Amino acid sequence: DIQMTQSPSSLSASVGDRVTITCRASQSISSYLNWYQQKPGKAPNLLIYAASSLQSGVPSRFSGSGSGTDFTLTISSLQPEDFASYYCQQGYRTPYTFGRGTNLEIK
Amino acid sequence: QVQLQESGPGLVKPSQTLSLTCTISGGSITSGVYHWSWIRQPPGKGLEWIGYIYFSGSTYYSPSLESRITISADTSKNLFSLNLSSVTAADTAVYYCARVSSSSWAFFDYWSQGTRVTVSS
Repeated sequence: DIQMTQSPSSLSASVGDRVTITCRASQSISSYLNWYQQKPGKAPNLLIYAASSLQSGVPSRFSGSGSGTDFTLTISSLQPEDFASYYCQQGYRTPYTFGRGTNLEIK
Repeated sequence: QVQLQESGPGLVKPSQTLSLTCTISGGSITSGVYHWSWIRQPPGKGLEWIGYIYFSGSTYYSPSLESRITISADTSKNLFSLNLSSVTAADTAVYYCARVSSSSWAFFDYWSQGTRVTVSS
C-alpha cells in the first residue's frame, strides 16, 4: 500500500494567516493527490484534486501544489470557517489511502 | 445534484455481519464514469477506504478487509451495499458511501452524511 504522511498533525493559527499543510507519499504518485476538508460531525468535502485543481465551488484562497512524492495545501488567508481537519488522499493506485489528517485550530 | 444516503442498523453484535445500503439520487449507478465506494472513520481517527463497485459488478476491496467484505449493487434500485462479516469492536466507525471518479484522478466528490455503527454486545 502507498503510505501518506501528513504534517503537521495539528496546527494553531489566526484568522488572516497563511497556512501550509504538507503530504508525502511513500512512492511517486505523479499528481494523483486529492485534498479534503472535514468539519466535526460532517462528511469530508473535496477541495483540490489532481494536486492543484480547485473543485467547483471551493474558495480561491485554497490552493494545492506538488508532484511525485511531495505535496502542499495552502490557505492564503484563513477565514473562521476554515478551522477544520484536512486530509490528503492518493488516487494513483488501489487501495486508495489517506493521510492521518491535520487538525487546524484557532489560536 | 447527486445525493447519497446510507441506511442500516447502528448497533451490531460482535461476530455478526454489518450490513449497510447506500441509495443514490440525482445520478445513476450505471454511469460508466464512476465507481461507488465505502469509506469508514473510527471515532477520533482518520479515513479508511474499504472498497468500490463498478456498475458492471466488478469490485475491488482493501486487502486489509478483503476476507470479510462483500460489496454488491442493485441497478434496478440504484443502490449499492456493504456487508462486513465477523465484526469486532475495531469495526466501530462512521461509515460513508461516496462516488469516485473512475477515469483518472480517483477523487471522492460526493459523500453521504455518514452513519455511525457501533459493535457491541
